[in-house]
Amino acid sequence: EVQLLESGGGLAQPGGSLRLSCAASGFTFSTYAMSWVRQAPGKGLEWVSDISGNGGSTYYADSVKGRFTISRDNSKNTLFLQMNSLRVEDTAVYYCAKGGLGRIPFDCWGQGTLVTVSS
Amino acid sequence: EILMTQSPASLSVSPGEGATLSCRASQSVSSNLAWYQHKPGQAPRLLIYGASTRATGIPARFSGSGSGTEFTLTISSLQSEDFAVYFCQQYHNWPPYTFGQGTKLEIK
Repeated sequence: EVQLLESGGGLAQPGGSLRLSCAASGFTFSTYAMSWVRQAPGKGLEWVSDISGNGGSTYYADSVKGRFTISRDNSKNTLFLQMNSLRVEDTAVYYCAKGGLGRIPFDCWGQGTLVTVSS
Repeated sequence: EILMTQSPASLSVSPGEGATLSCRASQSVSSNLAWYQHKPGQAPRLLIYGASTRATGIPARFSGSGSGTEFTLTISSLQSEDFAVYFCQQYHNWPPYTFGQGTKLEIK
């Protein structure tokens, strides 16, 4: 069974940093692109970033470009999102999802981790 | 960026009845359209991809149709577990992938 489990969310101050992790199991992690998608309170879903299976290609939403970095450790079946220079508007539940990097839907999602940016 | 618009924002339906949810794209996405079901505190679940293909394990009461800019998700004979928020997503033009704002399906 494919499973994705996010961790690392919490409270951060504006300008601060957090690192999210997503542990994957049940599929050959290194052969799939992976993505981060977020949902701010009361809002819809927003794609944040994706990364190729080998980690060589990455893409970002304009809203996080230059502040967030996506990466992966295929030896540990883990996806990461390093979030720097956090803003209040980054407050959201962050989901990792299997898929991305082209005309591919997200066929499996984690349950999400809440990031709150507040002073 | 392709804008996805869903209607209605919320829909009240009695169990056993059917429901029709709509999704419109600001420009053609061909058939590169997915529908997801999302319940509070749970992971979103892929229901439909390619506008009309059910994902693995999705009951036949869920069906998708449309192409280009107009899409529909139809749920026949609603079960209690179907009451949730439904999102459409285009994956035709990326980056960025874009989602609709969601339709909340409520029990009447």
